Amino acid sequence: DAGVTQSPTHLIKTRGQHVTLRCSPISGHKSVSWYQQVLGQGPQFIFQYYEKEERGRGNFPDRFSARQFPNYSSELNVNALLLGDSALYLCASSPRRTTSTDTQYFGPGTRLTVL
Amino acid sequence: SQELEQSPQSLIVQEGKNLTINCTSSKTLYGLYWYKQKYGEGLIFLMMLQKGGEEKSHEKITAKLDEKKQQSSLHITASQPSHAGIYLCGAQVDRGSTLGRLYFGRGTQLTVWP
Repeated sequence: DAGVTQSPTHLIKTRGQHVTLRCSPISGHKSVSWYQQVLGQGPQFIFQYYEKEERGRGNFPDRFSARQFPNYSSELNVNALLLGDSALYLCASSPRRTTSTDTQYFGPGTRLTVL
Repeated sequence: SQELEQSPQSLIVQEGKNLTINCTSSKTLYGLYWYKQKYGEGLIFLMMLQKGGEEKSHEKITAKLDEKKQQSSLHITASQPSHAGIYLCGAQVDRGSTLGRLYFGRGTQLTVWP
C-alpha cells in the first residue's frame, strides 16, 4: 500500500506570492495534519482536518489555510509568503480523528524556499 | 516554547557501540512517539508508547516510557551506519489540547562511523 504522498517535492517562490501544497493520505485514513519544520527544529503543528472539517489549529497566522476534500486529500495554502515561511512542510495521516492511541504517518514533505 | 527537550542534540558513535537518546517533558506525555528522519525528508515511524513503564523493542532499538510518563528513552544496541539520522520524539502533552496535535523535540542527530 502507498504511504502518504505529497506534492510538489520542492518549490521556490518569491516574497508576497501564494503557494498551494498537496497531500494524499494513506488509503482508508480520514485525518490529515500539517506541520512546518524549520531547519534545525522539530515539526510545528499547523492544522488538523478530519472528515473535511478543521479540528485543530496551531499558532500560525491567518495567511495559512487548509482544506480537506471528500476523498480525504488535503491542501495547505499560504498567502503573502515571507522569507520565514521557508521550511519543510510535512503532512501526516491517521485512521481517525487522532487520539493519543492513533499513530500519525508522515509523508516525505515539500521543501519550500522563499526568496 | 519547547514542550519536549531532547538530549543530546548530537551524537557521534563508532559502529557497534550502544547509545541512548532522552526525551523529557515537564508535563505528562499522552502517546509518546519516536520517529527517525533523514536530512530533509519525511518522518519514519519507529514506536509509540502509551502506558507508564511501557517498553517496546524493534530489532536493535528499544524505547521506554517512565512510570510518571514524563520521560522517554530510546536505546540502540550495537549501532550500525544504517541507524544514522535524526531521531525525534513527539507527544501530546496536554489532554485538553487539540487531539492529534503532536509537540516535538528538536531532534538528536546521530552519526555512526565505521
